[in-house]
Amino acid sequence: GAVVSQHPSRVICKSGTSVKIECRSLDFQATTMFWYRQFPKQSLMLMATSNEGSKATYEQGVEKDKFLINHASLTLSTLTVTSAHPEDSSFYICSAFRQGATNEKLFFGSGTQLSVL
Amino acid sequence: KNQVEQSPQSLIILEGKNCTLQCNYTVSPFSNLRWYKQDTGRGPVSLTIMTFSENTKSNGRYTATLDADTKQSSLHITASQLSDSASYICVASPTGNQFYFGTGTSLTVIP
Repeated sequence: GAVVSQHPSRVICKSGTSVKIECRSLDFQATTMFWYRQFPKQSLMLMATSNEGSKATYEQGVEKDKFLINHASLTLSTLTVTSAHPEDSSFYICSAFRQGATNEKLFFGSGTQLSVL
Repeated sequence: KNQVEQSPQSLIILEGKNCTLQCNYTVSPFSNLRWYKQDTGRGPVSLTIMTFSENTKSNGRYTATLDADTKQSSLHITASQLSDSASYICVASPTGNQFYFGTGTSLTVIP
């Protein structure tokens, strides 16, 4: 079963509104979570790295005031797209890193398709 | 510069045939390499993970190889099925929680 749950899977919103996407690690504590953006037929583009209890580290070119990331607990990170515009329409994916000596894994959520009208 | 390059960019094969996808990386230091399968509109799903000391790892019809000396990896798919149509992503990782993604290979299996 899925070990990283991402919701919603699809959202349609009006331009100017804000949208929150949740990413939960279901059966492990994830000190680090990642948020990606993906355009059709293109690879994942890392947006930011989120560490529990601290500010997210954003990749160059990603507006931190536009894409708010909160990682308040070891099992939950949220991405809020503020004042969404049509150009923000994309597929957003999160991943959670489970660190361990013998079972180190990077798990992905199922993605959120955002459409801004 | 840490980079991961995959080839071919896209591939079309007949159902039942085998294929091999390539991944070259320049990540240093190098800790492990992962292969993921991503269906359209879904998140990537892990296929294999290999540390620098491993040469091969299998997961059903998927077999990954790793040559840490030449910094190359391959993913071999045996007896392809229609459901294998997806994007395959190679991810190289140095020590710690950093991950470098390849651009992916889009595989289409046709009947």
